[in-house]
Amino acid sequence: NAGVMQNPRHLVRRRGQEARLRCSPMKGHSHVYWYRQLPEEGLKFMVYLQKENIIDESGMPKERFSAEFPKEGPSILRIQQVVRGDSAAYFCASSPGTGNGNEQFFGPGTRLTVL
Amino acid sequence: GQNIDQPTEMTATEGAIVQINCTYQTSGFNGLFWYQQHAGEAPTFLSYNVLDGLEEKGRFSSFLSRSKGYSYLLLKELQMKDSASYLCAVVNNAGNMLTFGGGTRLMVKP
Repeated sequence: NAGVMQNPRHLVRRRGQEARLRCSPMKGHSHVYWYRQLPEEGLKFMVYLQKENIIDESGMPKERFSAEFPKEGPSILRIQQVVRGDSAAYFCASSPGTGNGNEQFFGPGTRLTVL
Repeated sequence: GQNIDQPTEMTATEGAIVQINCTYQTSGFNGLFWYQQHAGEAPTFLSYNVLDGLEEKGRFSSFLSRSKGYSYLLLKELQMKDSASYLCAVVNNAGNMLTFGGGTRLMVKP
């Protein structure tokens, strides 16, 4: 059973370009979460999605960031017009459900560098 | 509001015992996770506590006191490979969001 897959593992963009990060949850998991980790800091929740629905996006910046989890295919985190401050590791996690003890399994992360 | 505090760094000796503390003040609580994260890698699950008390799993144990908003992770018989960051994370009421502390970077020395 493959774990959470993320690609690319490393992404370099110039200021103003778009970054598109992909996440395929574990088999059987329908809940996807995105977190951002700045250097030397903890993970910060961004968004929680189920298939075709955004459930909680309270951690998402209001502009330039969007996320989707279509019926078919991976979840996508999209950052438009990237700035240097967007440089971070972006982790995706998935779980089979929510509530007590529903562990979130993390992918290897995408390290975004904005030049 | 959400506030989770852990020490930034700790150092311990191989073979010793180390306790990593985590205090939290959150608007909701539905359990607390500890994750281990090696540099450049994904966080991996260590433990989950939702009731008060101690949960033991091999060399690692985790304790929770909900009334005090306090948890600790206890690592016994430290090995060099235990050098990593240890992340404390509180689950919100709906069970769908983790709020992480800043992580504790543990260095194990020979």
